[in-house]
Amino acid sequence: EAQVTQNPRYLITVTGKKLTVTCSQNMNHEYMSWYRQDPGLGLRQIYYSMNVEVTDKGDVPEGYKVSRKEKRNFPLILESPSPNQTSLYFCASSIQGGSYNEQFFGPGTRLTVL
Amino acid sequence: DQQVKQNSPSLSVQEGRISILNCDYTNSMFDYFLWYKKYPAEGPTFLISISSIKDKNEDGRFTVFLNKSAKHLSLHIVPSQPGDSAVYFCAASAVWGGTSYGKLTFGQGTILTVHP
Repeated sequence: EAQVTQNPRYLITVTGKKLTVTCSQNMNHEYMSWYRQDPGLGLRQIYYSMNVEVTDKGDVPEGYKVSRKEKRNFPLILESPSPNQTSLYFCASSIQGGSYNEQFFGPGTRLTVL
Repeated sequence: DQQVKQNSPSLSVQEGRISILNCDYTNSMFDYFLWYKKYPAEGPTFLISISSIKDKNEDGRFTVFLNKSAKHLSLHIVPSQPGDSAVYFCAASAVWGGTSYGKLTFGQGTILTVHP
């Protein structure tokens, strides 16, 4: 089944404790992206990757890191989480990074930083 | 600066009637528009899209209308069904200098409730 998977689905952590949210897609997509969803703000892009070893900042990259060493994986790293990073996170992928390519989303990771 | 706005946080409709969800945008560089549907505890799923060269796109019960001069698009669902109850996000994509980065700019979402 073609899908985007994220782990963990739920995470409660404390301020400053490094964490990684994994994202994997099995559709051989070149483009991958991370979004966060907050009430009243919709989804905002954190980082994106056009292909392996090619990543760039989205609208809200502060406090996050990403890497794209393999085509299928695009982990989101929070080196020192803070309470304002409490949010619902979505990973997405598409065939390519063009305007006209539908993005497929993972099921989401709900992160709480105390 | 919210470049894509959905000004109605919620909409309630009777089963069988039409649901109209609205979306406004400010960036004239946007050239592709999408609607995503989201159920609780799931990721958004693609519903329908429209290119800026068109003013209407239809897919079954779903039709999207684009008014470029007004920078406005709408999603019509006819007839509405209880299974359509979900959060609907409008999204837009732009091309910069001939290369698209695939970034989607989302609206805040509208919660649609269809009553039996």
